Amino acid sequence: DAGITQSPRYKITETGRQVTLMCHQTWSHSYMFWYRQDLGHGLRLIYYSAAADITDKGEVPDGYVVSRSKTENFPLTLESATRSQTSVYFCASSESGQPQHFGDGTRLSIL
Amino acid sequence: QKEVEQDPGPLSVPEGAIVSLNCTYSNSAFQYFMWYRQYSRKGPELLMYTYSSGNKEDGRFTAQVDKSSKYISLFIRDSQPSDSATYLCAMSKDTGGFKTIFGAGTRLFVKA
Repeated sequence: DAGITQSPRYKITETGRQVTLMCHQTWSHSYMFWYRQDLGHGLRLIYYSAAADITDKGEVPDGYVVSRSKTENFPLTLESATRSQTSVYFCASSESGQPQHFGDGTRLSIL
Repeated sequence: QKEVEQDPGPLSVPEGAIVSLNCTYSNSAFQYFMWYRQYSRKGPELLMYTYSSGNKEDGRFTAQVDKSSKYISLFIRDSQPSDSATYLCAMSKDTGGFKTIFGAGTRLFVKA
């Protein structure tokens, strides 16, 4: 089915570990985004990408790394996970001039 | 002060009621306004999308934008239990990348 898929849906890891969250979209949208959603803060932009090999920081980029070697994939890596990065992570995509469409999220717990 | 303010609720209404959800914003450069609906453990789903001021209707849903007051609203007529969700307002300045600022969301409960 066309759409945006995130994996895994749930992840538990320990502080200091590296973890990668995957995002795949089948629309061939140019733009892709990573957000985290926390109670009291709403959705906060971590990184975004305008095209393959073009990425830029959002509001809360520290501790995260992204890459975009292919248009359809936009993985998010936590290089050394901290408890403050426990959150629900959403990937979104859009075409220029159009609203974003979201995946169903990855619920990440860091112990 | 946040760029977008939204009352978190929760808002509880009986089935069939008219629901009014609102957001205020501070940046007059916002031109694109959206409402997303988010069910528990799901991603936000685009509900309404409007450009500049005015009204837009889609079935039981009406979105209003008042740029002079920096105020947007979503009305839900004949509310149903299936409308129970969190509603996020969102807005953007331009089309480039469509970077969007989201409200924190209002939780709505519609009681059967």
